[in-house]
Amino acid sequence: AQRVTQPEKLLSVFKGAPVELKCNYSYSGSPELFWYVQYSRQRLQLLLRHISRESIKGFTADLNKGETSFHLKKPFAQEEDSAMYYCALSGLGTDKLIFGTGTRLQVFP
Amino acid sequence: NAGVMQNPRHLVRRRGQEARLRCSPMKGHSHVYWYRQLPEEGLKFMVYLQKENIIDESGMPKERFSAEFPKEGPSILRIQQVVRGDSAAYFCASSPSSGSRYEQYFGPGTRLTVT
Repeated sequence: AQRVTQPEKLLSVFKGAPVELKCNYSYSGSPELFWYVQYSRQRLQLLLRHISRESIKGFTADLNKGETSFHLKKPFAQEEDSAMYYCALSGLGTDKLIFGTGTRLQVFP
Repeated sequence: NAGVMQNPRHLVRRRGQEARLRCSPMKGHSHVYWYRQLPEEGLKFMVYLQKENIIDESGMPKERFSAEFPKEGPSILRIQQVVRGDSAAYFCASSPSSGSRYEQYFGPGTRLTVT
């Protein structure tokens, strides 16, 4: 079965603390993995994708095929990082995205 | 570019009525996706359309739900005889072409409440 699991509904940290939002997936094949973010009163938008191997707003995510994980990390959280984060996958040759249930990140001053 | 537009933003329907949700993709985008988000859940894929064609409707409920993307005008998600369980946020996304390498741009969503 194709599934994306985000075990934490809420993650609260203080400004400057490291952040790791967990994402595990189940997919029989080679998926593409994404992180989407939704800031307050804004639309869902793509944050990063594993094939780009880039850092966006200080966030990185590494695909670990052995552990079927794609955790999102940032070494020093900022208050403006507070948002809802969704992990998603897309299968090879398909266009639909399969989303996790999301993790709300709260960064306190 | 105004981005993906959805209307209405909020829709209230009584049980048994019809709901029509509209999505105008970004300029130059000919691929539209509909997702549904039930309370406390992630977005779930419903249907993928190109102009005048349904490409993948594997996430659509078998009854009461239909979608279209005509040659002219917005994409329409239609729900007939709504029930309380249809209450959800419905999101539309668009992309310029097919394939996961093309980013899907999301609209603000339509929140449907069935009373």
